[in-house]
Amino acid sequence: QQPVQSPQAVILREGEDAVINCSSSKALYSVHWYRQKHGEAPVFLMILLKGGEQKGHEKISASFNEKKQQSSLYLTASQLSYSGTYFCGTEEGTNAGKSTFGDGTTLTVKP
Amino acid sequence: DVKVTQSSRYLVKRTGEKVFLECVQDMDHENMFWYRQDPGLGLRLIYFSYDVKMKEKGDIPEGYSVSREKKERFSLILESASTNQTSMYLCASSALRDRTYEQYFGPGTRLTVT
Repeated sequence: QQPVQSPQAVILREGEDAVINCSSSKALYSVHWYRQKHGEAPVFLMILLKGGEQKGHEKISASFNEKKQQSSLYLTASQLSYSGTYFCGTEEGTNAGKSTFGDGTTLTVKP
Repeated sequence: DVKVTQSSRYLVKRTGEKVFLECVQDMDHENMFWYRQDPGLGLRLIYFSYDVKMKEKGDIPEGYSVSREKKERFSLILESASTNQTSMYLCASSALRDRTYEQYFGPGTRLTVT
């Protein structure tokens, strides 16, 4: 079953913060986050495993709440280069290697 | 760097034609995937393969088949193309990292069926 992402779209000014959520109704083993710029392939950002581990990559970090089966992606002090569509991919423990992706959240950062 | 390549960036075919989309990865990954991407629908899994000659249906396999004769190559076949198969097709491969699988995507093939 496809995870649900929210919001569907967000518009920011440079320097503002954003949070993108990804929720699943199933027990998850991991959550992956990807960013896709217009006309390009999705690019991997980070993986979170069950256990509530939080990760960071420059000013982009994420958390995974195992009890809620929810992951959140945090974009701090956004830059123009952050614009794109963000996808979460969820992996259940029984489907090693196979992820189900959400519909995506379109982030637009304006000067 | 992992490289996933797809045979065409843009393809135009007629209704009823048999269409082959090719994907090649150069990192000896076990898993390979075919997705279709449509506006508002995200990435939907068509088929995936976890080994040579092994395949498993994804969420939307109807109208598609796949072939994996070699580890590095995964082909998507549209047996008889229809206009509702007009879409962006993305191939991906995955490797084990941090106890889970990170996917690497190809550039995509935008298929138009007329």
